[in-house]
Amino acid sequence: NAGVMQNPRHLVRRRGQEARLRCSPMKGHSHVYWYRQLPEEGLKFMVYLQKENIIDESGMPKERFSAEFPKEGPSILRIQQVVRGDSAAYFCASSPPGVGDEQFFGPGTRLTVL
Amino acid sequence: KQEVTQIPAALSVPEGENLVLNCSFTDSAIYNLQWFRQDPGKGLTSLLLIQSSQREQTSGRLNASLDKSSGRSTLYIAASQPGDSATYLCAVTDTGRRALTFGSGTRLQVQP
Repeated sequence: NAGVMQNPRHLVRRRGQEARLRCSPMKGHSHVYWYRQLPEEGLKFMVYLQKENIIDESGMPKERFSAEFPKEGPSILRIQQVVRGDSAAYFCASSPPGVGDEQFFGPGTRLTVL
Repeated sequence: KQEVTQIPAALSVPEGENLVLNCSFTDSAIYNLQWFRQDPGKGLTSLLLIQSSQREQTSGRLNASLDKSSGRSTLYIAASQPGDSATYLCAVTDTGRRALTFGSGTRLQVQP
């Protein structure tokens, strides 16, 4: 059973471009979470999704950021018009159905904005 | 708003020592608590999950305890090895939510 997969592992964008980060959850997991780790800071929750639904987006910046988890395919975290402050490691996690279950993390995507 | 604090921020010990990492949280209404390990430039590896109804969990040389009422958890590492060198993160899930709230971590270095 493959773990949580994220791609790309490293992404370089210039200011104003769009960044698309992909996450494939573990097999059998229907819950996906996105977290961000800014340089020298701790991990912060961004958004929690189930298939075709955003359940909790309380940690998402109000502008430029969006997330989806379609019926088919990976979850996507999209950042429009990136700025230097978006440079960070973005981690995806997944968990099986059921409340409060263990979350398993992917290797992360390291976004650098030039 | 839940806040998670980890003490110490950094720790350096000689190989073979037993050690304790501390985690505290401000809101005791948690559903579970997870301990993770993060190696530099890498993702997170889940070490132990403790449900709010449990007092401790063990995996190999690792033992995690939970005192929900006092808002504390400890991670005990027995007979430390250089391969244990990493940052250890504590995170809680509040009741009714699924988002993890993380502490800032304890950076552990085990000297050979």
